[in-house]
Amino acid sequence: DTEVTQTPKHLVMGMTNKKSLKCEQHMGHRAMYWYKQKAKKPPELMFVYSYEKLSINESVPSRFSPECPNSSLLNLHLHALQPEDSALYLCASSQGGQRLNTEAFFGQGTRLTVV
Amino acid sequence: AQTVTQSQPEMSVQEAETVTLSCTYDTSESNYYLFWYKQPPSRQMILVIRQEAYKQQNATENRFSVNFQKAAKSFSLKISDSQLGDTAMYFCAFMRGGSQGNLIFGKGTKLSVKP
Repeated sequence: DTEVTQTPKHLVMGMTNKKSLKCEQHMGHRAMYWYKQKAKKPPELMFVYSYEKLSINESVPSRFSPECPNSSLLNLHLHALQPEDSALYLCASSQGGQRLNTEAFFGQGTRLTVV
Repeated sequence: AQTVTQSQPEMSVQEAETVTLSCTYDTSESNYYLFWYKQPPSRQMILVIRQEAYKQQNATENRFSVNFQKAAKSFSLKISDSQLGDTAMYFCAFMRGGSQGNLIFGKGTKLSVKP
């Protein structure tokens, strides 16, 4: 199984809503990532979790709150978003640990629209 | 800081022909990895090929091969026998050795394979 599964695939939310994006992998990977991708742009790293601990936060606004409940799951909690936060949110995982240099496997993303 | 440059925003190729996508990068690191990812309309980022900077031999994966010129900091992707399913956005990416999957992407090249 080489899949990273993200739910939901599409999400429309108002600026006062609270929602969560979910990501799951069963490859035994110990590093998981959130990337944000605006239309016709490359992905930009938001957060990195290593062994369920947040190791990198790329100065992301606090209205985005990541959570890693266990080694297979990664959530991104959303609150009070702005229309400019509309984007494709990609989850990825890699082996992590001593094997820091292995490639990342990506999910299909959640297309988020903030209205 | 590392930068990745893809100078071809769009390219097209006839089915069964060969096409080369360009990528240059800038870094002062000696230990790093380079990747080509493909993002079809389905949105999922799919790893095409990877190259370790310490390896002189160019990586190959079936119809995909790279021309890695370390001194020139160039990392081009050659697709042989192009197929309709190769139509996608192609991103060149850099990762510093020892980092935790922090991929730095180029702006991408949109490849269209025409029948």
